[in-house]
Amino acid sequence: NAGVMQNPRHLVRRRGQEARLRCSPMKGHSHVYWYRQLPEEGLKFMVYLQKENIIDESGMPKERFSAEFPKEGPSILRIQQVVRGDSAAYFCASSPQGSEAFFGQGTRLTVV
Amino acid sequence: EDQVTQSPEALRLQEGESSSLNCSYTVSGLRGLFWYRQDPGKGPEFLFTLYSAGEEKEKERLKATLTKKESFLHITAPKPEDSATYLCAVRSGNTPLVFGKGTRLSVIA
Repeated sequence: NAGVMQNPRHLVRRRGQEARLRCSPMKGHSHVYWYRQLPEEGLKFMVYLQKENIIDESGMPKERFSAEFPKEGPSILRIQQVVRGDSAAYFCASSPQGSEAFFGQGTRLTVV
Repeated sequence: EDQVTQSPEALRLQEGESSSLNCSYTVSGLRGLFWYRQDPGKGPEFLFTLYSAGEEKEKERLKATLTKKESFLHITAPKPEDSATYLCAVRSGNTPLVFGKGTRLSVIA
């Protein structure tokens, strides 16, 4: 049973470009969460999705950030017009019924 | 608003020197307290879930306990491979996990 798969592992974008981060949850898991982690800081919740629905996006900036979890395919976190402050590690987690969450290895975004 | 505070921020132990990490929490109706281990450059690895005061879970040299206000992660006779950041998180209702900032543990041989 493969774990949560995130790709790419590392992503470099120039300021103003778009970043697309992908997350395939564990088999049988219908709940997906995205978190952001900055050095020396904890994991900050961004958005919680179930298939085709956004359940809670209270941690996601209103501008430039969007997320989806389509009926088929991975969950996508999209950041438009990236700025240097978007540089961080982005983690995806999945859970079967809102219990413990299992994390992927993350995507490290660097904006230059 | 759910809050989690972990202490100490960093802990340095000699190999074999047992100690405990603390996680204090404030939630409106605890639906689970979770411990994770995170190695540098990696994603958090799930360790334990605790649901009610008095509950204990063990895995190798680690033992997690829970009271109504805090949880402890006890590390018995640690080894250098136990060096990592240990994260505590809580859930209330159907909400996402809220994490503390973690305790960075270094075990010196």
